[in-house]
Amino acid sequence: DQQVKQNSPSLSVQEGRISILNCDYTNSMFDYFLWYKKYPAEGPTFLISISSIKDKNEDGRFTVFLNKSAKHLSLHIVPSQPGDSAVYFCAASVGEGNNRLAFGKGNQVVVIP
Amino acid sequence: DVKVTQSSRYLVKRTGEKVFLECVQDMDHENMFWYRQDPGLGLRLIYFSYDVKMKEKGDIPEGYSVSREKKERFSLILESASTNQTSMYLCASSFWSGGGEKLFFGSGTQLSVL
Repeated sequence: DQQVKQNSPSLSVQEGRISILNCDYTNSMFDYFLWYKKYPAEGPTFLISISSIKDKNEDGRFTVFLNKSAKHLSLHIVPSQPGDSAVYFCAASVGEGNNRLAFGKGNQVVVIP
Repeated sequence: DVKVTQSSRYLVKRTGEKVFLECVQDMDHENMFWYRQDPGLGLRLIYFSYDVKMKEKGDIPEGYSVSREKKERFSLILESASTNQTSMYLCASSFWSGGGEKLFFGSGTQLSVL
């Protein structure tokens, strides 16, 4: 049973607009959440993370929001750029130092110039 | 710069062959992982290792084994390759950052089993 779910497998957005990716989880014990970005023929790269003691974390154009009561997090990319076209994976883990991440299936983002 | 190197980008093997996928990291990380990525299924953990000679099963270990004789090297072994093991294989190493377990991935090995 998948503990981390990413619906809406693909998203197309105009350059300069906002991209919003959603992620839902079922395990209420998760307390660390991460987003990874993957280009074709490359391994995923770490993008941004958030711990459950926060509800927002921002890094440049990327912001992650966490709603613990809804077991939901989202990634906002503002403004979207063509280089953001990639697959984005949501991941979660339980406990500090726990090295076992549960990944979602990924969302394909296409930014149209 | 952080580097995880997988020995092959593309491999073609025959059913029943023994297959070795090698991975080396240069970051002195304790933890190393093997994932496979399949369309519509995302990243699924096969095995991971938290120290030399230590290993733990992931979510889909059947048909695979691993070896970690040195800290920097983690090998994935397919004892008898089957067509359903055709996939993209991703190796990673990681460290705990305080903001979560940060994985660093290699570029992947696309394995085709015929």
